[in-house]
Amino acid sequence: KNEVEQSPQNLTAQEGEFITINCSYSVGISALHWLQQHPGGGIVSLFMLSSGKKKHGKLIATINIQEKHSSLHITASHPRDSAVYICAVPTNFGNEKLTFGTGTRLTIIP
Amino acid sequence: DTAVSQTPKYLVTQMGNDKSIKCEQNLGHDTMYWYKQDSKKFLKIMFSYNNKELIINETVPNRFSPKSPDKAHLNLHINSLELGDSAVYFCASSQHPMTSGSRNEQFFGPGTRLTVL
Repeated sequence: KNEVEQSPQNLTAQEGEFITINCSYSVGISALHWLQQHPGGGIVSLFMLSSGKKKHGKLIATINIQEKHSSLHITASHPRDSAVYICAVPTNFGNEKLTFGTGTRLTIIP
Repeated sequence: DTAVSQTPKYLVTQMGNDKSIKCEQNLGHDTMYWYKQDSKKFLKIMFSYNNKELIINETVPNRFSPKSPDKAHLNLHINSLELGDSAVYFCASSQHPMTSGSRNEQFFGPGTRLTVL
């Protein structure tokens, strides 16, 4: 079992829909990362959060430390939001490393 | 200005060859990383350096040798390339190492797509 699980693996939605991507992890963490990988391959860090909720534009990330669960929401989705969204958590003690989920491929249809 | 740059962007080579991928960051960060993304798009850490010192070395064949001439550069040299080495390799950097309690955002390079024929 992966330490970081994401769902769904693939998500297709119509433009304008509210999108939710989920991430569950099995280890204690200091912070969880959400990343976006564009169709061209580049990776961008979206959020790093350790509690509560963060908002950036139409992206919202929430985390529940007790339940070891985080969600990424996209409001008013647009075809340009089509990408792979990846959550990652630090694992190991001492020098931590990021362990990545398998990613959620989001496709927004016009 | 590109924060984390990698060269080359694409690398096609024959089995058995030796090749290098270069990474540079102009963010003034102390820590740099190499990740491998396989054909299933799964990212996994390979190495991490802090101030030119190796701090994370995952179970990677010793054909892979990272070199950090200074804290702004982390190069990856691969000897005797094999078919299974075909992947996209990402370099990244963060201000400090990821230690318990710290929250360090990572900045990724554009990736190097390596194809071994």
